[in-house]
Amino acid sequence: GAVVSQHPSRVICKSGTSVKIECRSLDFQATTMFWYRQFPKKSLMLMATSNEGSKATYEQGVEKDKFLINHASLTLSTLTVTSAHPEDSSFYICSARGLGNYGYTFGSGTRLTVV
Amino acid sequence: TQLLEQSPQFLSIQEGENLTVYCNSSSVFSSLQWYRQEPGEGPVLLVTVVTGGEVKKLKRLTFQFGDARKDSSLHITAAQTGDTGLYLCAGPIYNQGGKLIFGQGTELSVKP
Repeated sequence: GAVVSQHPSRVICKSGTSVKIECRSLDFQATTMFWYRQFPKKSLMLMATSNEGSKATYEQGVEKDKFLINHASLTLSTLTVTSAHPEDSSFYICSARGLGNYGYTFGSGTRLTVV
Repeated sequence: TQLLEQSPQFLSIQEGENLTVYCNSSSVFSSLQWYRQEPGEGPVLLVTVVTGGEVKKLKRLTFQFGDARKDSSLHITAAQTGDTGLYLCAGPIYNQGGKLIFGQGTELSVKP
């Protein structure tokens, strides 16, 4: 079945630094990738949708200059949290869909802690 | 804006009891999905319901899609401690790039 690898699974960074999270589709071409943020015991909140080779579409209220999304290839999307602050600490999850495939495959998530 | 209202958001029951989780919307969805998520992991797909009135069973879990495709339910029979987790309903918005939106989630705790 379709597999999405998300890396790193956990990261701790200092306030003011930037952190990059990678999401790779291992056995299919992901034409569309989605990035979610999740707070403890809460549901997944969609941050942005990215199509390969295009600019990401951000949901209302998500700062695109803070959460940089790149989807340069059909197997890789990255989320960079720039100038991270403690309030950016959260669980970030990616999801991918292939061309003509209506299924969504999720990564295992990244726990970001900003100290 | 298409929204999914999920209830209850928290549920604590004893092992052996039955429970139902509801997912409702004022909008029609082409399909709805149910996921289960463990702490620190990504959500895992349990089922996708596509046809109005459809009922799908997965062992002790029964999923139903409303006739009008605006609502769905998840029923667990004789809950076990291993059923503990976060259950999420989700639906795709195809005219917005196929993005998947989620209900608020149901945190289920099954006590021995």
